[in-house]
Amino acid sequence: GAVVSQHPSRVICKSGTSVKIECRSLDFQATTMFWYRQFPKKSLMLMATSNEGSKATYEQGVEKDKFLINHASLTLSTLTVTSAHPEDSSFYICSARTDGGEQYFGPGTRLTVT
Amino acid sequence: KQEVTQIPAALSVPEGENLVLNCSFTDSAIYNLQWFRQDPGKGLTSLLLIQSSQREQTSGRLNASLDKSSGRSTLYIAASQPGDSATYLCAVRGYQKVTFGTGTKLQVIP
Repeated sequence: GAVVSQHPSRVICKSGTSVKIECRSLDFQATTMFWYRQFPKKSLMLMATSNEGSKATYEQGVEKDKFLINHASLTLSTLTVTSAHPEDSSFYICSARTDGGEQYFGPGTRLTVT
Repeated sequence: KQEVTQIPAALSVPEGENLVLNCSFTDSAIYNLQWFRQDPGKGLTSLLLIQSSQREQTSGRLNASLDKSSGRSTLYIAASQPGDSATYLCAVRGYQKVTFGTGTKLQVIP
């Protein structure tokens, strides 16, 4: 099956700093990528839909100025958490959608803000 | 608004037992339904994808069914093994977005 990678897999940052997470589709092009967040013992929640070459579409309640998404190419989308706070600590997962409509998920990034 | 529910939330079974995980959704206007497993601290691994026009999909010891009209899907695991221990998530893709269930945490006891 198709492969989606995320980097880094784990990151620890201090409050007030920014951290960037990369999501790459390794063997297919994805015009659409998605970013999810998982709170402890909760379901995955969609944060935003990232479309190549255009602005991301954010879900209600997600701060677009805090969670910056850039889908610069057909194989790369980045999520930047700006001015991170401890409550931003979470598990972030991206997915990429093929032309056939299947979604493939990255392995996730665990962010810890101290 | 699509709501996806998984029952039970947790399940503990002895090794070798056959088991069924349930996923129900409120809006039957779906594109597909996907079952995933998630190991602690890890990302999602796709298990089976069922398109809205399909009734079931099989992969090894796993069989997933879809009854779109009643808003239900089941994941059947045959001859369970300790390595099957994980959280199982179903995800329903509507025409705009994917909605995940809350998951079933499975423990298979040797």
